[in-house]
Amino acid sequence: ELKVEQNPLFLSMQEGKNYTIYCNYSTTSDRLYWYRQDPGKSLESLFVLLSNGAVKQEGRLMASLDTKARLSTLHITAAVHDLSATYFCAGISIQGAQKLVFGQGTRLTINP
Amino acid sequence: GAGVSQSPSNKVTEKGKDVELRCDPISGHTALYWYRQRLGQGLEFLIYFQGNSAPDKSGLPSDRFSAERTGESVSTLTIQRTQQEDSAVYLCASSLVILRGGETQYFGPGTRLLVL
Repeated sequence: ELKVEQNPLFLSMQEGKNYTIYCNYSTTSDRLYWYRQDPGKSLESLFVLLSNGAVKQEGRLMASLDTKARLSTLHITAAVHDLSATYFCAGISIQGAQKLVFGQGTRLTINP
Repeated sequence: GAGVSQSPSNKVTEKGKDVELRCDPISGHTALYWYRQRLGQGLEFLIYFQGNSAPDKSGLPSDRFSAERTGESVSTLTIQRTQQEDSAVYLCASSLVILRGGETQYFGPGTRLLVL
C-alpha cells in the first residue's frame, strides 16, 4: 500500500531565503504531484512529475523526482510572502485504483 | 473555462440528520473523485467514478456513506445519520480519461460540513 510522508510539517522562513520540502513515498508511484492549498481554499495543482529525474520549475518553485530513492523535493528559491500556504505532495497507486495518496502537508509561513 | 463546482459551500447539521453534497465536474472529465479533509490534515480518498460506475469505493468510512453519479456529470455524496466525526471538508476532483497512472485531478472549492 502506497504511503506518502512529507517533512517538515511546519516551516517558518524569512523572505529571500531558500528551502526544500521533502516527500518520501513507500512503493512505486506512477506519478508524483504537488499541490498548493491556501487557508480555506481548495487545492491548486502545481506540478506533475512523470519519470525519474524529472524537474519542473514555475517561478520560485522547482520540483524534482528521484524514483529510485522514492523521493520528490519542492525547492523554494528566494521566498516571498505570497508563497505562504500549505503544500501537499501526492502519489498515485498503480494497483488498479486511481486515487491520489496525499502526504500530511507542509505548512509554509514566510515572514517579511 | 469553468472549474469543478461544489454545493453547498458550507453545511451545518445536527447529529443524526442526513446530508447530501453535490459536485459538478469540469465538462468533458470522465473521472470524478471524492476526498475528505479533516481539520489540519491531509486528504483521505473516499470514492472515484469512471463515467457513472464506481470501481473503487474502498475509502468510504462506513455504510452511512454513499455516492452516485449521473452519466459523466453531477455526483452526489450522501451521508446518512451524520456523526460529529463526519465534520470535515469534502472535496471533489475531476480528471480526463484515466490513463495508466492517472491524469491530473482538478479540485473543487469543497463543502465544509459541521455536525453539531
